Amino acid sequence: DAKTTQPPSMDCAEGRAANLPCNHSTISGNEYVYWYRQIHSQGPQYIIHGLKNNETNEMASLIITEDRKSSTLILPHATLRDTAVYYCIVRPRSGAGSYQLTFGKGTKLSVIP
Amino acid sequence: ETGVTQSPTHLIKTRGQQVTLRCSSQSGHNTVSWYQQALGQGPQFIFQYYREEENGRGNFPPRFSGLQFPNYSSELNVNALELDDSALYLCASSIRDGTESQYFGPGTRLLVL
Repeated sequence: DAKTTQPPSMDCAEGRAANLPCNHSTISGNEYVYWYRQIHSQGPQYIIHGLKNNETNEMASLIITEDRKSSTLILPHATLRDTAVYYCIVRPRSGAGSYQLTFGKGTKLSVIP
Repeated sequence: ETGVTQSPTHLIKTRGQQVTLRCSSQSGHNTVSWYQQALGQGPQFIFQYYREEENGRGNFPPRFSGLQFPNYSSELNVNALELDDSALYLCASSIRDGTESQYFGPGTRLLVL
């Protein structure tokens, strides 16, 4: 079972920041937070991951709360091509389950013109 | 840098038949994972291969089997196909570096009639 909770859907106006929340209240100190997205009928695309510090790359920023029980993925300037299902995934750094990604239902983000 | 490729893109089989799906990993990646994605669901982990051996397995029956070759490419074999095997089959490659961010191919869409 997925260890994360995400809203089923969100809308965002084109050009505005999209903030996608994820709850992972049972996360352990040994677990990463990963974000992937899947555009219709394509394979999932890796976006970003983090352990406890905030992370930023060319695609997005990941903000992890100090207690690590929730995180937010930020797309700073959403475009129509960002319309996709976004998955928040918790994965152990090592040991059992470290080799697999456990996908939940994700958040369907719709970017509106 | 070459991304993950999969073949064929689409396939139609009948119940009881056998199918082989192929995956070429991203350049420099030594680990391959396979996922099944039914319509409207998130991907489900089938198994992972590292150094030509199965390294972990999800909740799939033995009629799902695989191989990894010395060049790190991989095959997924499914015997005795059932109607419920109709899905998008995704291959993901990664490097054994602790973070193991997985990069997905476009998938093979299998329809079992």
